[in-house]
Amino acid sequence: ETGVTQSPTHLIKTRGQQVTLRCSSQSGHNTVSWYQQALGQGPQFIFQYYREEENGRGNFPPRFSGLQFPNYSSELNVNALELDDSALYLCASSEIAGAPRETQYFGPGTRLLVL
Amino acid sequence: QKEVEQNSGPLSVPEGAIASLNCTYSDRVSQSFFWYRQYSGKSPELIMSIYSNGDKEDGRFTAQLNKASQYVSLLIRDSQPSDSATYLCAAIKRGTYGNNRLAFGKGNQVVVIP
Repeated sequence: ETGVTQSPTHLIKTRGQQVTLRCSSQSGHNTVSWYQQALGQGPQFIFQYYREEENGRGNFPPRFSGLQFPNYSSELNVNALELDDSALYLCASSEIAGAPRETQYFGPGTRLLVL
Repeated sequence: QKEVEQNSGPLSVPEGAIASLNCTYSDRVSQSFFWYRQYSGKSPELIMSIYSNGDKEDGRFTAQLNKASQYVSLLIRDSQPSDSATYLCAAIKRGTYGNNRLAFGKGNQVVVIP
């Protein structure tokens, strides 16, 4: 167990809807990264938050947004859902953003299905 | 060119044999590498990290790093049915703002046959 939790575990939405996914980082970790993993692919980096500020973003459109709270919980919000957004969404927490050997520990993930 | 490549197809190994997985990376600046194990329907679980050239052993797992050739490998000795999973190779990529992100290969599926 990594100490990283995510909710919900599964979610079904309709195209065009909005969704909020939640993550609670491991105690003492002030950095959270979000990844999207499509079936049969490796995880793709969405963005990272460090001390409540966005600290880097991957190649995802603005309808993917996030928040990090003082208690190191965080959210991933996706607006105007598309069918291709169906994937496993992973959050990963780490202790020190930008450290040369920064190790990221993943939560159990949220599987999103968009119909 | 993909940042991290894992090109091998599914790997079937008999129980007790050695499973060998390879990964190459494109950015010579990358310094930190990880192997994650992912069971079907589950999230990635860190099993090895490696930062220096050479071998690093942890139980039945050995990671190897060759920065000159830009490849990372993972050996699983005495393979067990519980090792049947997808293995993801990842490298730290440095971002514009000093952040790190993990760049992953697409993974290699390992099936251990009893």
